[in-house]
Amino acid sequence: AQSVTQLGSHVSVSEGALVLLRCNYSSSVPPYLFWYVQYPNQGLQLLLKYTTGATLVKGINGFEAEFKKSETSFHLTKPSAHMSDAAEYFCAVSDHRDMRFGAGTRLTVKP
Amino acid sequence: DGGITQSPKYLFRKEGQNVTLSCEQNLNHDAMYWYRQDPGQGLRLIYYSQIVNDFQKGDIAEGYSVSREKKESFPLTVTSAQKNPTAFYLCASNNMNTEAFFGQGTRLTVV
Repeated sequence: AQSVTQLGSHVSVSEGALVLLRCNYSSSVPPYLFWYVQYPNQGLQLLLKYTTGATLVKGINGFEAEFKKSETSFHLTKPSAHMSDAAEYFCAVSDHRDMRFGAGTRLTVKP
Repeated sequence: DGGITQSPKYLFRKEGQNVTLSCEQNLNHDAMYWYRQDPGQGLRLIYYSQIVNDFQKGDIAEGYSVSREKKESFPLTVTSAQKNPTAFYLCASNNMNTEAFFGQGTRLTVV
C-alpha cells in the first residue's frame, strides 16, 4: 500500500526566510504527488501537483516542489516566507486507486 | 459554480446514536472519498468509491458505513459502533489521476 511520511510536524521560519517542508512517499506504481494547504476549520486547497513530465513543479503563492524518484521525495519549498503562509500543509500520493495523506506539517511564520 | 458541498458544518451526536454526514459534488467526478482528521494524525482514509454502487474500505472503516447510489452523492454514516467519533470529517472527489477537491468539512462532536 502507498504511504506518505512528512518529516517534522511543526516548522517555524522567520518572515522572508526559506521554507522547506519535507515529504517522502512509497508507492508500488509511478505515483502522482500533491501538496495541499489547510487553513483552520476549512477543507484542503491544492498548492501543486506532479503527474508526469518535468520534475520541478510550480504552484500557487510562490511554492514549488521537486520530484526525486531516486530519493522517493517530493519536498515543498518557497524562497521567502510570508505571514500569510502560516497554515498546515499536507503531502499526498495517489496510486490511481485512492489517495493517501501524510500527517501534516504546521508552518509558523515569525515576524 | 462547480464544487463539493458538505453538510452540516457542525454536528452533535449523543452516545449510541447513528448520524449521517452529507457530501454532494457537481464536478462530474467519478471518485469520492471520506477522510477523518484528528490533531497530529493528518487525514486518514475511511472509505472511497471509484464508481456508482461500489466502494472500498480505507484504513479506518470500522464503525462507519457509506453508500454510493448516485454519482453526485456519497453520504457517510457514523454508527454507534464507532467509539471515538469526535473529529473533523472531510469529503473529497476527483477523476482518476487528477487532484482531489475538498468540501469544507463537518465537525462532529459527541455530547
